[in-house]
This record gives sequence, C-alpha cells and structure tokens, in this order.
Amino acid sequence: RKEVEQDPGPFNVPEGATVAFNCTYSNSASQSFFWYRQDCRKEPKLLMSVYSSGNEDGRFTAQLNRASQYISLLIRDSKLSDSATYLCVVNRLEGAGNMLTFGGGTRLMVKP
Amino acid sequence: GAGVSQSPSNKVTEKGKDVELRCDPISGHTALYWYRQSLGQGLEFLIYFQGNSAPDKSGLPSDRFSAERTGGSVSTLTIQRTQQEDSAVYLCASSLVTQTGWFRGAFEKLFFGSGTQLSVL
Repeated sequence: RKEVEQDPGPFNVPEGATVAFNCTYSNSASQSFFWYRQDCRKEPKLLMSVYSSGNEDGRFTAQLNRASQYISLLIRDSKLSDSATYLCVVNRLEGAGNMLTFGGGTRLMVKP
Repeated sequence: GAGVSQSPSNKVTEKGKDVELRCDPISGHTALYWYRQSLGQGLEFLIYFQGNSAPDKSGLPSDRFSAERTGGSVSTLTIQRTQQEDSAVYLCASSLVTQTGWFRGAFEKLFFGSGTQLSVL
C-alpha cells in the first residue's frame, strides 16, 4: 500500500461546479499536510497547507481528519484555470529532518 | 537567485552513459530534495539533504544513483550507466524549515525548480 493515496481521476466537471478530492495517508506519525497544484509539464506549486481546524482560501477549502487519516480539498465555483493535477503531500519527521511524501495526484479538467 | 535553478533543462543521452544533473537551491534554504516524475505519474522521492546531517538516501532506486550537496548549497545528482527506465523529469526542491524543536518542519513550504527532462535512448 502506498503511503499517500489519491484517486488519479480525471475528474471532468463543468465550469461553476463544486468538486472535492480526498487523499488518504497510512503513517499515523504524519504531522503536516499540504495540497500542491501541478500544471501540465510544470513544477508543483504550493496551493495551501491543511490544518486540523480546516482552512479556507477563497474558493478552496481544505480539511484534515486525523482519526480517519484523510485530507480533502473542496473547490467551489470551478474555473477553467483550475484544470491541473492536485497533489496531496504529507510530512513527517524522519531522523533529523522531514520526509515529504507525495500522492500520485488527482487530475481535474474543468470544461466550458 | 530568486528561485530554485536546475540545469540542464533537457538532457538526451545514450544508454550506458553517465549524466549529472545540477540544482541550485534558494539561498539560505537548509533542506534540499530530489524527486523524479515519469510521464503521467506522481513524484517519487529520491534523496533529501537537511543542513549538515547525513542525507536520507532511502529513495534512490539503485546504486547507479548518487547525489551530493557541496557547502550546503548546490547539489548534483549523478546517474551512472543510464538505462531507458531512468527517463523522467528530475525535480529539485528546497525549503526553509521554519520551526525547531518538536514542532519543526510543521510548516515546510517546498519551492521547486523547473526540472530536468532526461531522455535515455
């Protein structure tokens, strides 16, 4: 079993739709969590961190459920520009440093 | 520099040759990661450098892969006797760990370079 798992999609949604992605992680020692966005043939870029209390940034809402070991990302009022791959990232302490593990990504395609 | 710089951006090589990929992280960033990404796949962890600590090499797929980080700054990833399955985009990322103690690393933002596309013929 992979340490961080995501549904690869693709999720095909019309503009204006609400779409949600989930990500599960297997290591209960994981400490911090992030969503990254990766456009085609580009490097990943941080979208938002995920906090236990849940956090919102405009149309994007991230939630963390430690008991069930999953993270979610909700996108409201989807835009064409939201089309990308969304990567779930889990961080845990490993020895003297940090181990950041990426999920395989969920591909989103927003259609007109 | 303003961001993480990787070179070359593209590398085409013949099977069996050695290649060196370079990463110049953001100045002052203590942590440096190498990942690789095959077409349509997620990021595969290769190696991690944190300050002066011994690197975490647990992700290196074989002994043909090695990396070093000189003076805590520039890093070089070397692949010896390249194979076709080594073809991928090799991404470097750096970060500044913003916390110390038990909470360290809790808010670690990665900055990625634009990657090196390696093609082994």
